[in-house]
Amino acid sequence: ETGVTQTPRHLVMGMTNKKSLKCEQHLGHNAMYWYKQSAKKPLELMFVYNFKEQTENNSVPSRFSPECPNSSHLFLHLHTLQPEDSALYLCASSSRYAGELFFGEGSRLTVL
Amino acid sequence: GIQVEQSPPDLILQEGANSTLRCNFSDSVNNLQWFHQNPWGQLINLFYIPSGTKQNGRLSATTVATERYSLLYISSSQTTDSGVYFCAAANAGGTSYGKLTFGQGTILTVHP
Repeated sequence: ETGVTQTPRHLVMGMTNKKSLKCEQHLGHNAMYWYKQSAKKPLELMFVYNFKEQTENNSVPSRFSPECPNSSHLFLHLHTLQPEDSALYLCASSSRYAGELFFGEGSRLTVL
Repeated sequence: GIQVEQSPPDLILQEGANSTLRCNFSDSVNNLQWFHQNPWGQLINLFYIPSGTKQNGRLSATTVATERYSLLYISSSQTTDSGVYFCAAANAGGTSYGKLTFGQGTILTVHP
C-alpha cells in the first residue's frame, strides 16, 4: 500500500472536457510534485509545491492548472487538452523540498 | 540542468543471473534515487543514495559522487525483477536545485 494515492487511475476525456486529477499523501510530507510520463520520453517535472506554495512551473501549458489547498492534497485541473497530452501523470511527495521522493500509482490519461 | 544517462537501455537475463545497471550524471548531486517501475506504472523506491553503498536483499547500489556515477546491482535475478529501472538525480545547487531529473531507463527482462 502506497503512502501516496492518486485518483482516478484511468481517465478518458474529450478535448473539450474539464476534469481533475487528485493526489493525496499520508506521509506527513511538505512538498508535492506532478510529473508527466509520455511514451518514449523520460519523466518530466511539471509542478512543485513546497508548504502549499508553488515553487516550480516547468513551462507547462496553461491548460494544466495545479492546485495545492494543503500539504496533503494536490490537484491537477485539466481543460481543453490535446491528444498529445495523453500520458501517465505521476504525483510524488517528499518530507522536505529536494528530499527523497515517493510516488503514487499514477493516473493514466487518454485524450480523444 | 543536470543530465542523467543510463546504460544499458535494454537488458535480457536468464533467471538466476546477476546484472549491473549504470547511471552517469553531469553535476554534483544532493539526491540520487533508483526506482523500479512496475507494469502498472507505479515507481517503486529502491534506493535513496546520493553517496555511498546500500544493500537491500538481492539489490545493492553504489554512488561515487566524485566521479558522477551510480551503479545498481541485481543478484540472482527473478522474473519479478522485470520492468523498467530508472535513475534520477537532482543538483546540489544552482537553478536546478531540488528538481529530480530522470534518465531514460533500463528495460530489464528476466526469462525463466
